[in-house]
Amino acid sequence: DAKTTQPPSMDCAEGRAANLPCNHSTISGNEYVYWYRQIHSQGPQYIIHGLKNNETNEMASLIITEDRKSSTLILPHATLRDTAVYYCNPGDMRFGAGTRLTVKP
Amino acid sequence: DTEVTQTPKHLVMGMTNKKSLKCEQHMGHRAMYWYKQKAKKPPELMFVYSYEKLSINESVPSRFSPECPNSSLLNLHLHALQPEDSALYLCASSQDTGRQFFGPGTRLTVL
Repeated sequence: DAKTTQPPSMDCAEGRAANLPCNHSTISGNEYVYWYRQIHSQGPQYIIHGLKNNETNEMASLIITEDRKSSTLILPHATLRDTAVYYCNPGDMRFGAGTRLTVKP
Repeated sequence: DTEVTQTPKHLVMGMTNKKSLKCEQHMGHRAMYWYKQKAKKPPELMFVYSYEKLSINESVPSRFSPECPNSSLLNLHLHALQPEDSALYLCASSQDTGRQFFGPGTRLTVL
C-alpha cells in the first residue's frame, strides 16, 4: 500500500513560489510529516516537519490540513539550486516516489 | 557535530570479493539505517538498528550483512554480490524515530 501520493514532477519559474502537495491519508494521529529533498546523487537533506500546526523555517513553510491527510511544502522564492526530488514522509522511514521539482530560469 | 560520514565514497568490487561499507555518527543517535538507491528511484530501506539491535530487516538477501559494533558505528558487509546490487548505499541516523540525518552515500559498482 502506498502511504503517500505526490505528483511525479513539477516545474517552477525561478523567483516564484513552489507548492508541492502530498497526500498521506493513512497517517496516524501521533505521526509527524517530514519533508526531505535529494539533489542529484547526494544524501537526502531534511527540510521541515510538522504534526498539526503549520510550520516555517529558513528553508520552507509547511501547511498541514486540519484532518492531517495532506500537506503542502512551500518554497517561497524558488532558485535554480532548489531543483531536486522532494520526498514527503509521514512518520515512516520508508520513502515514496517523491516529486521531481525543476526550477527554470 | 551534525554529520553522518560514510566510507568509502566509491567502491568497485568483483562478484567473489568481500568488502565492507562504514557509517559513523557522533550525534548520540540511537537509531541507524541502511538504504539502497538505484538510479532515478527513491531510497529503499534495507535495515534499521535501534539501540545497537537489529529491529528491521526488509527481507534483504543474506549477501548483505549489517553490523552495529557500537552506538556510533554501522557497517554493511558485502559478499558474493551481483551486478544488480550496484547502487548508491545511504546511511542515516536519528534520535528515536525523528528527523533523519543522511550521509553522502557510497557508490557501489559490482563487476
